[in-house]
Amino acid sequence: GENVEQHPSTLSVQEGDSAVIKCTYSDSASNYFPWYKQELGKRPQLIIDIRSNVGEKKDQRIAVTLNKTAKHFSLHITETQPEDSAVYFCAASNGGYQKVTFGIGTKLQVIP
Amino acid sequence: DAGVIQSPRHEVTEMGQEVTLRCKPISGHNSLFWYRQTMMRGLELLIYFNNNVPIDDSGMPEDRFSAKMPNASFSTLKIQPSEPRDSAVYFCASSTQYGYTFGSGTRLTVV
Repeated sequence: GENVEQHPSTLSVQEGDSAVIKCTYSDSASNYFPWYKQELGKRPQLIIDIRSNVGEKKDQRIAVTLNKTAKHFSLHITETQPEDSAVYFCAASNGGYQKVTFGIGTKLQVIP
Repeated sequence: DAGVIQSPRHEVTEMGQEVTLRCKPISGHNSLFWYRQTMMRGLELLIYFNNNVPIDDSGMPEDRFSAKMPNASFSTLKIQPSEPRDSAVYFCASSTQYGYTFGSGTRLTVV
């Protein structure tokens, strides 16, 4: 089955700096890579996703990159703000209807 | 749309008791997933259904766990008998080709 590894497990950045979270996956059939943000005590919520026919996708301060050859994908947050503090999960799937395998999560702390 | 609805939000029960968690997926979503979240193991997929049919239950930890989806708008996850190590947040999610939507979760505490 799919195995998703995520690092770092914790990340502290100063407000305004950039944050990068990296993930690798094992199943070459995976073609859908969502990212979820989970605030304390709340549900994970989809913030951005990328499909295997795209190498990069951007939405305001958030961008994701995908390297299918190396089976790597990353989340980049620029100009971080305190409200970006949360746990971020990467995930991989071979289709939106199919099961999604999550990474262990990265706890991001943005220091004002 | 009210989103994925889970009940109860919190459950405290004694070891050995039966626990039933409930989930109503978003109308029109064909797939439903049950996850368990703990600090140590993160988000673990327990079981998922496609068009009400169980597709993969390999994540169900033991025979004490069972899940049903009698129709497209309702699913249950049952633990019988419950044990303290079952304490966790249990999330239900439903999906289309555009990705998952999670419910608010049920925080289960077994004492």
